[in-house]
Amino acid sequence: AQSVTQLGSHVSVSEGALVLLRCNYSSSVPPYLFWYVQYPNQGLQLLLKYTSAATLVKGINGFEAEFKKSETSFHLTKPSAHMSDAAEYFCAVRPTGANSKLTFGKGITLSVRP
Amino acid sequence: GAGVSQSPRYKVAKRGQDVALRCDPISGHVSLFWYQQALGQGPEFLTYFQNEAQLDKSGLPSDRFFAERPEGSVSTLKIQRTQQEDSAVYLCASSSGTGIHTQYFGPGTRLTVL
Repeated sequence: AQSVTQLGSHVSVSEGALVLLRCNYSSSVPPYLFWYVQYPNQGLQLLLKYTSAATLVKGINGFEAEFKKSETSFHLTKPSAHMSDAAEYFCAVRPTGANSKLTFGKGITLSVRP
Repeated sequence: GAGVSQSPRYKVAKRGQDVALRCDPISGHVSLFWYQQALGQGPEFLTYFQNEAQLDKSGLPSDRFFAERPEGSVSTLKIQRTQQEDSAVYLCASSSGTGIHTQYFGPGTRLTVL
């Protein structure tokens, strides 16, 4: 069975600082990996996804993530945080076969201080 | 174009009542997913349809939960004899296929069982 671990439940950064949100996965074969963002009272919006092409994936709003097979990680980064980045972020994994269900981590709340 | 829509956005039910939650996927999307998101947690898979066929219902927590998609478009998640532990946000997602195709999420229905 696949699983996702997002260490910590809350990250706080200053505006303009580096954002680093960690995600580690467990899977017998390299899966597809996703980062979603959720703003209050809204559904999840896809930030970026890894589908076995380039290991460095660029997404929307200046976010990017790097797939590292040796570390089973898919950490999300953004060089400079903006106030509008405050939200909850979910890492998710999906097998590469026909089964398409997503398995999500518990999520990390990002706060951005002025 | 229009995204995934869900109705109602909020539902309050007394314990023991039956509820029905509706999902309108993006037009033409063959795959439809239901997820349950408890407070402070990541979404958890409930069930998956490809067109009108329910291909995976392994995540449904009990036989009180039932989902249908009779014409391969709109889907309804029904919960019979609601319990307090059913209180959660129910998210619907659709995609144009399986595999690497992105799942687009609706805003969710927040169910509160009193």
